[in-house]
Amino acid sequence: GIQVEQSPPDLILQEGANSTLRCNFSDSVNNLQWFHQNPWGQLINLFYIPSGTKQNGRLSATTVATERYSLLYISSSQTTDSGVYFCAVRVTDKLIFGTGTRLQVFP
Amino acid sequence: DTAVSQTPKYLVTQMGNDKSIKCEQNLGHDTMYWYKQDSKKFLKIMFSYNNKELIINETVPNRFSPKSPDKAHLNLHINSLELGDSAVYFCASSSLRTEAFFGQGTRLTVV
Repeated sequence: GIQVEQSPPDLILQEGANSTLRCNFSDSVNNLQWFHQNPWGQLINLFYIPSGTKQNGRLSATTVATERYSLLYISSSQTTDSGVYFCAVRVTDKLIFGTGTRLQVFP
Repeated sequence: DTAVSQTPKYLVTQMGNDKSIKCEQNLGHDTMYWYKQDSKKFLKIMFSYNNKELIINETVPNRFSPKSPDKAHLNLHINSLELGDSAVYFCASSSLRTEAFFGQGTRLTVV
């Protein structure tokens, strides 16, 4: 089956720093989503991005489907950005999650 | 209005008991899912239903039985609970080429 790997697995930042999270997938996919799981466990939708680039405030994402990767950029990080970031790819009828990146932002 | 809602949020029960988790979506989606998140935060699909019909069963033990009375609801019933069933269970919904939305999760603890 398809493999979805995320890097880095862990990231520690000071408030105000920028970061790039990567998602690699091993086969063609129908679409791709990025989620933020906050410290309370909620899965929050960030981007639905099968291809191209999207921006939402301090966050932006780029998916290059032909090269099988997606990037999530976080600029001017805040403590509220802490949590686990997941990418998930759709293959036929299911969404397959990546391994996650745990982000900790300190003041 | 909550798009995907599941109840209860927390469930603590003894080994051997039977329990159910309910899920409802008001997004008009035709596909609903159950996911399990283990202690290492890995999210794995368990079941997928499309228009009330089971389309994916990812080798989940028979003790887990989903039931979809209509396309807005997908409940999960678990028989003879075991310690290893302790996890967070997420319900989700989507349409064929739209983004999926997840419920708040149900933290199940088996003691």
